[in-house]
Amino acid sequence: DVKVTQSSRYLVKRTGEKVFLECVQDMDHENMFWYRQDPGLGLRLIYFSYDVKMKEKGDIPEGYSVSREKKERFSLILESASTNQTSMYLCASSGPGEAKNIQYFGAGTRLSVL
Amino acid sequence: DQQVKQNSPSLSVQEGRISILNCDYTNSMFDYFLWYKKYPAEGPTFLISISSIKDKNEDGRFTVFLNKSAKHLSLHIVPSQPGDSAVYFCAARESGSNYKLTFGKGTLLTVNP
Repeated sequence: DVKVTQSSRYLVKRTGEKVFLECVQDMDHENMFWYRQDPGLGLRLIYFSYDVKMKEKGDIPEGYSVSREKKERFSLILESASTNQTSMYLCASSGPGEAKNIQYFGAGTRLSVL
Repeated sequence: DQQVKQNSPSLSVQEGRISILNCDYTNSMFDYFLWYKKYPAEGPTFLISISSIKDKNEDGRFTVFLNKSAKHLSLHIVPSQPGDSAVYFCAARESGSNYKLTFGKGTLLTVNP
């Protein structure tokens, strides 16, 4: 089974703090994704990466950056956290070929910015 | 502009009956569709998918139907079980995009015993 692990289930941060959300997958997947889920808005793509050191902006990249130094790890960075970044953050990964269509998700990190 | 729409925020059915969840899309370049299920405090889990070259795909109690002319797909669950109670997301992939999925806002299904 594919396992996508997000380092924290719950985080509470202060406005202006730099926040790191970590995600690790164990299936040697090329593609990794960061989403946020908000009530009534569904899942919105923040950033994705299709290879080490490669990244592309998703639909809502403003206020976020990412890092992918190793294939198995994809980090989401909030440079200066704001209250409107309070949300559920979901990491996902997908494999090569036809398997790229199916994304596997971690359990999520619920971030509260006070 | 919302390209994948799930117009019913919630649906309630009796155990043993059929659950039908609907999804509409506007982008004619979408060629692959997926359904995910999400329990509270967990990440979404893949349920079933369908390519645009098909109009039906079945996996046990779950069947997805695709009507390309209407840009509509539906997920049928028969028979529904209380454990099926979750939020269901419809997602679509655009031809040539390779990676990106566009998700709907989700439908909360409640199956009553």
